[in-house]
Amino acid sequence: AQSVAQPEDQVNVAEGNPLTVKCTYSVSGNPYLFWYVQYPNRGLQFLLKYITGDNLVKGSYGFEAEFNKSQTSFHLKKPSALVSDSALYFCAVSFLTGGGNKLTFGTGTQLKVEL
Amino acid sequence: DGGITQSPKYLFRKEGQNVTLSCEQNLNHDAMYWYRQDPGQGLRLIYYSQIVNDFQKGDIAEGYSVSREKKESFPLTVTSAQKNPTAFYLCASSITGRSNQPQHFGDGTRLSIL
Repeated sequence: AQSVAQPEDQVNVAEGNPLTVKCTYSVSGNPYLFWYVQYPNRGLQFLLKYITGDNLVKGSYGFEAEFNKSQTSFHLKKPSALVSDSALYFCAVSFLTGGGNKLTFGTGTQLKVEL
Repeated sequence: DGGITQSPKYLFRKEGQNVTLSCEQNLNHDAMYWYRQDPGQGLRLIYYSQIVNDFQKGDIAEGYSVSREKKESFPLTVTSAQKNPTAFYLCASSITGRSNQPQHFGDGTRLSIL
């Protein structure tokens, strides 16, 4: 069975500092990995995905993620955090079934960026 | 602009009542999904549909029903059999058969019990 773990319920960083939100996965075969962001009372917005190729994936709003196959991790990073980055972040792994594309989500990490 | 529209934004259910949440997309996606979001539990899949007139149960389908009569519409009914319906419900869509494509989400419906 596919699974995703986000070990930190909350991450606090100061504005201007680099941020990392952690994600590890368990999946048979090659994973398709995604990061989404959710602002209060809104749906999820797609940030970036890893399919194959370069282990460093660049996405929206200056975010990037590093895929590490040996550690089965896909951590989200940003070199310089903004207060507006404060939100709930979800990691997800995709797998194909007879019924289509299914996503398994982690439990989410609340990011708080302070002045 | 293409996207997913969920309505209403807030919904209240009385005991023994069925309620229906609307989800419409104009992205021309074949696949649509319903998720339930509870605090600290992430998103859990309720139902999904690959094509019109076909749908499959997800991980927590009990107490819910869906229909897919049109490509752009995938309404979710929360029945009286769902004893704990209070949650944030999210609809999503994706290109069918391509697991490397992201799912696109609506802005959700928050359901509460009166």
